[in-house]
This record gives sequence, C-alpha cells and structure tokens, in this order.
Amino acid sequence: DAGVTQSPTHLIKTRGQQVTLRCSPKSGHDTVSWYQQALGQGPQFIFQYYEEEERQRGNFPDRFSGHQFPNYSSELNVNALLLGDSALYLCASSPGLAEYTDTQYFGPGTRLTVL
Amino acid sequence: ILNVEQSPQSLHVQEGDSTNFTCSFPSSNFYALHWYRWETAKSPEALFVMTLNGDEKKKGRISATLNTKEGYSYLYIKGSQPEDSATYLCAFGETSYDKVIFGPGTSLSVIP
Repeated sequence: DAGVTQSPTHLIKTRGQQVTLRCSPKSGHDTVSWYQQALGQGPQFIFQYYEEEERQRGNFPDRFSGHQFPNYSSELNVNALLLGDSALYLCASSPGLAEYTDTQYFGPGTRLTVL
Repeated sequence: ILNVEQSPQSLHVQEGDSTNFTCSFPSSNFYALHWYRWETAKSPEALFVMTLNGDEKKKGRISATLNTKEGYSYLYIKGSQPEDSATYLCAFGETSYDKVIFGPGTSLSVIP
C-alpha cells in the first residue's frame, strides 16, 4: 500500500516564475491538505481539498491555488514566485470528511528554492 | 490569530534519559490535539490524537497527556534511544473541520 507521494522532490525556480507541485494521497483517502514549512517553523496550512473542491484555506495569498482530480490526487500551484516562497511543501491525506480527530498521513515533501 | 507554542525549541539528552516537552495552545474552542514525530529526511508520522481533557495516550516508551482547561499537552519519552532523535510537532484543531495549527516543534537529539 503506497503512502502519500509527492513530486518533484526538489525544485529550483527564479522569482516571478510559476510552479506546480503534485501529490497522490494514500490509498483510500479522498481529502488532501497542503502545508508550507519554512525554516524554523512548523507547517503552515495552505488549503484543503475534498471532493475536488477547496474546503478550507489558510492565510495565503491568491498566488497559491490548487486543484483536486477525480482520482483524489492534487496539485498546488504558486504564481509569481517570491524569494519568501522558498520552503518545504508538504501534502497530507486523510480519509472521509477528515474531521480533525482523523490522523493525517504526510508525504515526504517538495523542497522549493526560489532564486 | 491562534498561536501554538512548543518548548523547549531543542533538547539534547543522553541515551537512557527520560525527557518531556510541552505544547501550549488556546484553551477555548478546543477540538483535538495531535502529536507528530518527524525524523530527518522522512515524512511526519502521527503519534497521537487526543480529544478529551485528561486524555493520556501511550505508544511504547512514548506517552502524552492533555489538559484542555489550561491549554497544554506534555509528551514524555522514557529511556530515550538514538532512534528517538527527531522533531516532535504538536498540532491544534479548533473545530471539527477547521485547519490544524502546528507548533514550531521541539528538536530532540539523543546522544549514544
């Protein structure tokens, strides 16, 4: 049973560019959440997708957008990259309606560096 | 703005020592408190989820307690081993479908 997978592992972009990160949830999970982890901080919630719709959103600008596909996989898109977007981006999946008593399963993350 | 704090920021202990660290969270509108262990180059791994005041959870040598009235949770590791070296994150959930808010983590190093 594959866990949560993310691609790519590492990515280097320059300011102003756009980036797409991908996540496949754990088998049987239909809810995907994205987090940004900057150095020295805990993961910051970006948004959550359930049934192909954004259900919750954290305090991130509209440059951060996402999508969930019918197979529950998800993409995170960031436009007009800033140096401050450099971080580890984590994807987490959970089953069903994802009440927050449910355990989230995390992927290994994508390390984004913006130059 | 909800704030979740963890202390200490980092900890170095000798193999065999027992240790504990703290997660502080808002005491109002509590829904759930999660603990995760995050080893270097791996994915964060769920340890516990606690929902009731007074909850105590145990997994091997690791245990956790919860006090929702005063807004804190303790994580204990008994007889630390080098493989316990990791960052320990807590995450607070305010309502059932709201986002979880992570603390900054406590980095534990166990010296053989």
